[in-house]
Amino acid sequence: AQSVTQPDIHITVSEGASLELRCNYSYGATPYLFWYVQSPGQGLQLLLKYFSGDTLVQGIKGFEAEFKRSQSSFNLRKPSVHWSDAAEYFCAVGATDSWGKLQFGAGTQVVVTP
Amino acid sequence: EPEVTQTPSHQVTQMGQEVILRCVPISNHLYFYWYRQILGQKVEFLVSFYNNEISEKSEIFDDQFSVERPDGSNFTLKIRSTKLEDSAMYFCASSPTGNEKLFFGSGTQLSVL
Repeated sequence: AQSVTQPDIHITVSEGASLELRCNYSYGATPYLFWYVQSPGQGLQLLLKYFSGDTLVQGIKGFEAEFKRSQSSFNLRKPSVHWSDAAEYFCAVGATDSWGKLQFGAGTQVVVTP
Repeated sequence: EPEVTQTPSHQVTQMGQEVILRCVPISNHLYFYWYRQILGQKVEFLVSFYNNEISEKSEIFDDQFSVERPDGSNFTLKIRSTKLEDSAMYFCASSPTGNEKLFFGSGTQLSVL
């Protein structure tokens, strides 16, 4: 069975600084990988996804993530955060035979300070 | 961008009562899902639905739960006899083909007293 670990529960970052959120997964084959963001009172919005191909994927809002098979990781990055990036971020993995059944990580709460 | 709509945003019910959570998926989508998030815990898959039947369900989705697409636009989750531990945020999601991203609604916060 697949699983997802987000080691950081909470990250505080200054506006304009870079951000990296960690995600490690466990899955027997090549997984489908996703990053979602949830702002207060909002639903889960997809930032980016990896299915196959180029291991560096670009997403919305200036985010990118890199799939590293050797490290079973799919870390999310943004070079310069904006105050509006304060939210909770979820990494998720889907199985290739039932990818709509996503396994989510526990989430990382990002706080942006002035 | 089209949205998945969930109503109500908050629902309070007494233990043992039946509750129906409603969702309007994006109109041309064919695959539908329910997830839930208990406070402080991970978002968990409950059930997927396609072609008017359940495709897959988790061990959480026991006989107390049911899903229905009563017409061409709504997708509902019914909990027959609510328990305290059913208190959670329930997310509906839809997907056009089942092989693309999930579009999530903003959730219904269910509180069972």
